[in-house]
Parts: sequence; structure tokens; C-alpha cells
Amino acid sequence: DQQVKQNSPSLSVQEGRISILNCDYTNSMFDYFLWYKKYPAEGPTFLISISSIKDKNEDGRFTVFLNKSAKHLSLHIVPSQPGDSAVYFCAVFGGSNYKLTFGKGTLLTVNP
Amino acid sequence: DAGVTQSPTHLIKTRGQQVTLRCSPKSGHDTVSWYQQALGQGPQFIFQYYEEEERQRGNFPDRFSGHQFPNYSSELNVNALLLGDSALYLCASSLAPGTYGYTFGSGTRLTVV
Repeated sequence: DQQVKQNSPSLSVQEGRISILNCDYTNSMFDYFLWYKKYPAEGPTFLISISSIKDKNEDGRFTVFLNKSAKHLSLHIVPSQPGDSAVYFCAVFGGSNYKLTFGKGTLLTVNP
Repeated sequence: DAGVTQSPTHLIKTRGQQVTLRCSPKSGHDTVSWYQQALGQGPQFIFQYYEEEERQRGNFPDRFSGHQFPNYSSELNVNALLLGDSALYLCASSLAPGTYGYTFGSGTRLTVV
């Protein structure tokens, strides 16, 4: 059973526009929600996180929104840049197990 | 400041063989977690080591085993390799078992033929 679902395998946007990546989770007991970015031939790198007690966290062009009632997480990138093209993984932490659990990822392509 | 280093970067093995992958954690980190990332999938948790003991384990068979050394480095061993074990194996380190700030290495690409 998948605890973290990223239902869009891919997303394509134009440079300068907003990219919105979505993630759904099943367990309301998770403590932290994270986004990782992964380029080919590299390991995932941490992008941004949010605590379960908050509903929004910003870091420069990146904003993460948490809707606990819907068990939904989203990452907004504004403005999108070609260098943002990568696979983005949603991850959760906490509950009964203190380990990172990942979704399947969304491939973001930002076209110049 | 060296991050997480993994070796080797690529490996080709034959079905039935055994393989050992190595990981050195980021400086200051004492907890090591291993993940398997199959093609088109997200990283799947294999197990986590802290104080030289396996602390948590994911849904992987006993063919997957590990070890952590006193210097916090770690090894992942896979016995009786199957074609389905072909994947990218990622090592991540963190400050402690209960912290979510994982730093990942670039991974070892294992191909089983």
C-alpha cells in the first residue's frame, strides 16, 4: 500500500510560469513533509520541508502548502527556470516509523 | 565538507552472485539508511543503522543485510542476486534516527545479468 502518492508522472511548463507539483498521503500522523529534487546520476537533494503544524512554508522561489484535512501537499515553483527540470519526490516522515517514505516522483520539464 | 560518498558507482553482477556496496556518511552524521530505487519508482527504504545495529527494516527479504562500523560507515550486502535486484542503491545519512534531515549519496547503479 502506497502511503505517498504522486499521481502525475510528468509535468511540462514554460520558463517563467508557475510549476505546481502535487502529492497525497494516507496517514494523518506524519510529522514532516518534504520535497526532494533529483537530477540524473545524482542522489536526491533536499529542497524544502513543512511541519505538520503549519500550512505553508516559503524558501525563495519555492513554496510548500499543506492541507491536512485533504491529506494533500503541493510544491509551487515561481518563476520556473530551465535548471528546475528534474524529478521531484514528495516524502513524509514520522508517525510510527522514523524513516523517510517517498512517492514515485514527478518529472518536471521547464521549457525555455 | 564531504557529503555522503558511495562506492562503487556502477556494478554488473551475474544472477546468484553476492554484492557489497559501501557508504561513508556526511561528517557529523551517525545514522545511515539504505534505499533501493527501481526504474520509474521512488526510493524504497531497505533498513537503517545506528550505533552499529539495524534499527528499522523495510519490506525486503533476508538476502539484504547490512553492517555499520565504529566510524559510522556502512555496507549493504545482497546475496543470491536476482534480475529484479537491478536498481540504483542510495545511501543516506542523518544526525540521529529520529531526525528527517537526510543527505543522500549519488548511489550505486547495480545491474544483474
